[in-house]
Amino acid sequence: DSGVTQTPKHLITATGQRVTLRCSPRSGDLSVYWYQQSLDQGLQFLIHYYNGEERAKGNILERFSAQQFPDLHSELNLSSLELGDSALYFCASSAGQVFNSPLHFGNGTRLTVT
Amino acid sequence: GQQVMQIPQYQHVQEGEDFTTYCNSSTTLSNIQWYKQRPGGHPVFLIQLVKSGEVKKQKRLTFQFGEAKKNSSLHITATQTTDVGTYFCAGQRYYGGSQGNLIFGKGTKLSVKP
Repeated sequence: DSGVTQTPKHLITATGQRVTLRCSPRSGDLSVYWYQQSLDQGLQFLIHYYNGEERAKGNILERFSAQQFPDLHSELNLSSLELGDSALYFCASSAGQVFNSPLHFGNGTRLTVT
Repeated sequence: GQQVMQIPQYQHVQEGEDFTTYCNSSTTLSNIQWYKQRPGGHPVFLIQLVKSGEVKKQKRLTFQFGEAKKNSSLHITATQTTDVGTYFCAGQRYYGGSQGNLIFGKGTKLSVKP
């Protein structure tokens, strides 16, 4: 068990809808990262938050947004969903502010857009 | 943008055979991390390499970081069925003195025939 909690495990929704994915980092970790994993694209970095502030953005679509709250949990909001957004979304946390500390991944949320 | 290329994409071996996966970056990396993802699971941190030419061992696993800090390899000696999974390298690049995003390769999926 990595100590990172993601909910829900599975999400099935229709195109055009909006969903929220939630992540609670390991106790003591201040950094939260979001990754998207699809079959042919590997792990795509979306966004990184440290202690409530956005630190880095990757290939995150404008339809997607995220935030990290004072209790350090994070939410990833996906709107105007398209079929191509179907993927496994991982949250990871680390103790450090930069990427040179190991990432601890949650079990992921599998999103299916129909 | 920065890319981390990983080969091969798939590797099928007989139990007891050796396995190697290679990771190459177009740019110099500040460090490289390796992760393993079991089928249906989440990526789990294996190791981090920081120094040029660094070699680290974990039981049957040997990790190397190239002299130019642009490539890395993971070698497994005498594979076992428990080694099955996808192995990812993830490289972090320097950006003018600060460290950038952790970019994952697409992974090498290892299957082991008993």
